[in-house]
Amino acid sequence: NAGVTQTPKFRVLKTGQSMTLLCAQDMNHEYMYWYRQDPGMGLRLIHYSVGEGTTAKGEVPDGYNVSRLKKQNFLLGLESAAPSQTSVYFCASSYSSSGSYNEQFFGPGTRLTVL
Amino acid sequence: GEDVEQSLFLSVREGDSSVINCTYTDSSSTYLYWYKQEPGAGLQLLTYIFSNMDMKQDQRLTVLLNKKDKHLSLRIADTQTGDSAIYFCAESIRWVTGGGNKLTFGTGTQLKVEL
Repeated sequence: NAGVTQTPKFRVLKTGQSMTLLCAQDMNHEYMYWYRQDPGMGLRLIHYSVGEGTTAKGEVPDGYNVSRLKKQNFLLGLESAAPSQTSVYFCASSYSSSGSYNEQFFGPGTRLTVL
Repeated sequence: GEDVEQSLFLSVREGDSSVINCTYTDSSSTYLYWYKQEPGAGLQLLTYIFSNMDMKQDQRLTVLLNKKDKHLSLRIADTQTGDSAIYFCAESIRWVTGGGNKLTFGTGTQLKVEL
C-alpha cells in the first residue's frame, strides 16, 4: 500500500516551459487536492477534485490546470511556467469531505524551481 | 479573511515541554487538526480534536482547545530530537462551493530541539 505518490520529486524549468505533475493514490479515495507550500505561508489550495471527471478551483488556481481522468490519478499542469510558481507542490487525498472529519493523506512533494 | 495564525519558530531543549499555539478563524469548525512535516517529507496527521472537547491527550501529546478565543495548542511532553519538524494546525471549514469541508492550514511552526 503505497499511499499517495508524486512524480517527479524535483524539477527545474525555464520561464515559459510547461510540465505536468502526477499524483497517484491507491486508497480508493474520492477527494484529491493540489497544494503549494511557500515559506511563511503554509499550504494553499490550488485545485481539488471531488471525484473522477470533476475538478474545481481552490484559493490560488491561476496559472495551473488539472485533470482527473481516473479516480486514482490527479494531474497538475503548468502551461507556461513563471518564477512565481517556484514552490513545493503537495498532493493529498481523502475518503470524502462531506462529513465533518476530513483527514487528508499527503504525498512526499515535488520541489519545482522556475528560472 | 481566513488566516490561521501560528508563530513561525520555537526552540526548546531536549527533555523540556514544547507548546505550539494556533489561532483559527471559524467558530463553527467541528474538527481541528495538528499535522507534522518532517524535513523533505509530506504532512502527516499527528492528532485532532473535536470541537465539543476542551482537551485531548495522546501519550506525549496534549491538545487544548479554547473555543471562546478560537485558540488551539499542542503540547509535546519530554520533547526529543526526533520531534524536530514543522507543525501545522488546520481547521475544517464548510466549502462555499462543492459541498463538504475543506482544510485551512496555518503557516506552520518550525520546532527545533536542541541537545
